[in-house]
Amino acid sequence: QKEVEQDPGPLSVPEGAIVSLNCTYSNSAFQYFMWYRQYSRKGPELLMYTYSSGNKEDGRFTAQVDKSSKYISLFIRDSQPSDSATYLCATQRSRGNEKLTFGTGTRLTIIP
Amino acid sequence: GAGVSQSPSNKVTEKGKDVELRCDPISGHTALYWYRQRLGQGLEFLIYFQGNSAPDKSGLPSDRFSAERTGESVSTLTIQRTQQEDSAVYLCASSRGGEQYFGPGTRLTVT
Repeated sequence: QKEVEQDPGPLSVPEGAIVSLNCTYSNSAFQYFMWYRQYSRKGPELLMYTYSSGNKEDGRFTAQVDKSSKYISLFIRDSQPSDSATYLCATQRSRGNEKLTFGTGTRLTIIP
Repeated sequence: GAGVSQSPSNKVTEKGKDVELRCDPISGHTALYWYRQRLGQGLEFLIYFQGNSAPDKSGLPSDRFSAERTGESVSTLTIQRTQQEDSAVYLCASSRGGEQYFGPGTRLTVT
C-alpha cells in the first residue's frame, strides 16, 4: 500500500464549478500537507501547505486536513480554464529538510 | 531571480548506455532533492543532499543510480547501464529549509 493515495482521474468539470480533490495517507507521523500544481511539461509548483488538522484559504483555493481520518482535500471555487493541470498532494513529517511523499496526482480539466 | 534549472530537457538513449543528468539549484539553497516521475505516477523520492553530503539516499532504486553534488552548487544524477524501466521525468528541487522549488525536469527515454 502506498503511503499517500490519490485518485488519478482524469476529472473534467465545467468552468465556474467547485472542484474537490482528495488524498488519503497512512503514516500518522505526517504533520505537513501540501498541494502542488503541475502544468504539462513543467515542474510542480507549491499551491498551498497546511500544518496539522484544519483549513487554510487562499483566494479561490481552500485546503483541508483531517488527521483523525487521514484525509486531505483541496477545493477550487469558481474554477477557470487556467486551473487545468495535474494536482499532487504531498506530505512531510517535518517542515525542515526532508523528502516529500507524493500522491499519484489528479489530472483536472476545466471545460470553458 | 533564476529558478532551478536542469539539463538536458530531453534525453533519448539506448538500453545499456550510461546517462548523466544535471541540476543547478537556486543560489543559496543548501538542500537539493532528486525525484523521479514515471508516466501516470506521482513523484518518487530518490536522494537528498545537504551541502555536498547525502544524508538520505534511501530512494535510489538500484546501484546503477548514483548522484553527487559539488559544494552547495550543481548536482549530477548518473544512471549506468540504463534499462527501459528507467524511462521517466527526473525532477530536481532545491530548498533553504522550507518550500521545495522544482526545476522543469529531464525527460529520459530509454529505447
